[in-house]
Amino acid sequence: EVQLVESGGGLVQPGGSLRLSCAASGFSLSNYWMHWVRQSPEKGLVWVSHTNSDGSGTSYADSVKGRFTISRDNAKNTLYLQMNSLRAEDTAVYYCARTGGYFEFDNWGQGTLVTVSS
Amino acid sequence: EIVLTQSPGTLSLSPGERATLSCRASQSVSSSYLAWYQQKPGQAPRLLMYGASIRANGIPDRFSGSGSGTDFTLTISRLEPEDFAVYYCQQYGSSPGWTFGQGTKVEIK
Repeated sequence: EVQLVESGGGLVQPGGSLRLSCAASGFSLSNYWMHWVRQSPEKGLVWVSHTNSDGSGTSYADSVKGRFTISRDNAKNTLYLQMNSLRAEDTAVYYCARTGGYFEFDNWGQGTLVTVSS
Repeated sequence: EIVLTQSPGTLSLSPGERATLSCRASQSVSSSYLAWYQQKPGQAPRLLMYGASIRANGIPDRFSGSGSGTDFTLTISRLEPEDFAVYYCQQYGSSPGWTFGQGTKVEIK
């Protein structure tokens, strides 16, 4: 059974940093593009970042470019999101998601809440 | 950036009724790259349809998708109690790559 389990969320002050992890099981991470997607009541579902299968290619939403870094450790079957210079508007539930063959998100984690507040 | 606009914002229907949800794109979208998701409170989104009309694993056949270009539709032929949820469309295309609609809530009338 495919499972994605996020961790690392929490309360952080504006300007602070946080690192999210997503542990994958039931499949080999090395065979899939992976993503981070976030959701807040204000903005809804918003794609944040993607990485290709071996991590050599990444892309970011303009709102996080230069502040967030996606990475992966295929040997550990784990995806990461390093978030720096956090802002109040980064407050959201962050999901990791797997890409299917039609660029859809075919499996999602349960999400981890990130709150940026002083 | 391709903007997806879903309508209506809320659909109030009774179990057994037919639900028709619309997703309109600001530019043409490849039908191969249009997907639909269902989300219930406190849960992650779940993939329903991809390639505009292909049901994901385990999705019952009362769900169907159609459309092309800028207009796409998700139809639930007869609503079951577990179908009351929020539905999102999503496309993959030009930068920023992946975008979502704002969602349609299907609520019990």
